[in-house]
Amino acid sequence: DAGVIQSPRHEVTEMGQEVTLRCKPISGHNSLFWYRQTMMRGLELLIYFNNNVPIDDSGMPEDRFSAKMPNASFSTLKIQPSEPRDSAVYFCASSLERGREKLFFGSGTQLSVL
Amino acid sequence: GDSVTQMEGPVTLSEEAFLTINCTYTATGYPSLFWYVQYPGEGLQLLLKATKADDKGSNKGFEATYRKETTSFHLEKGSVQVSDSAVYFCALSEGSTGFQKLVFGTGTRLLVSP
Repeated sequence: DAGVIQSPRHEVTEMGQEVTLRCKPISGHNSLFWYRQTMMRGLELLIYFNNNVPIDDSGMPEDRFSAKMPNASFSTLKIQPSEPRDSAVYFCASSLERGREKLFFGSGTQLSVL
Repeated sequence: GDSVTQMEGPVTLSEEAFLTINCTYTATGYPSLFWYVQYPGEGLQLLLKATKADDKGSNKGFEATYRKETTSFHLEKGSVQVSDSAVYFCALSEGSTGFQKLVFGTGTRLLVSP
């Protein structure tokens, strides 16, 4: 039974470049979350979707960040242009609508912006 | 908004020692409370939960009791193992019954030596 799949596992890019992170949630889960983890701020919720619709994007830091969920099995988080302060581990998580509190996390994408 | 405060780490223990990781919360309603664990290189996993006051969550020898009077949910284990070395996150559910989301603490790293 596959878990939440994220790609790439590691991404190194230069300031100003566009970065796209990808996530495939667990089949049948209809809630999807994007989190960012840093030493300074811990785990921050960026945005979450329910049935492919963005419900709360108040955690998205600024307009450089955007997220989409075109269908139930795929989501992207895009940063354009990227900045060094965006360096972090980005996690995707999914859950069933009922029991939304039990999140299943992917292994994360380690992003380094030079 | 609602928030979670955890003790700072790292917590360093010898194998078979008793573990306590403190967690307190601030919430306007009556949230459910959770402990998640993150092993090196992996995403977070739900460890245990409690949904109302005086509930005790338990799993893999870990326990935590929902204390409304002290707004606390401390994690305990009677005898830790090297394999328990990980980062532990306390969390609460926030929001209306329609779209609850998890708010995480900053995490506490546990290091267990043989």
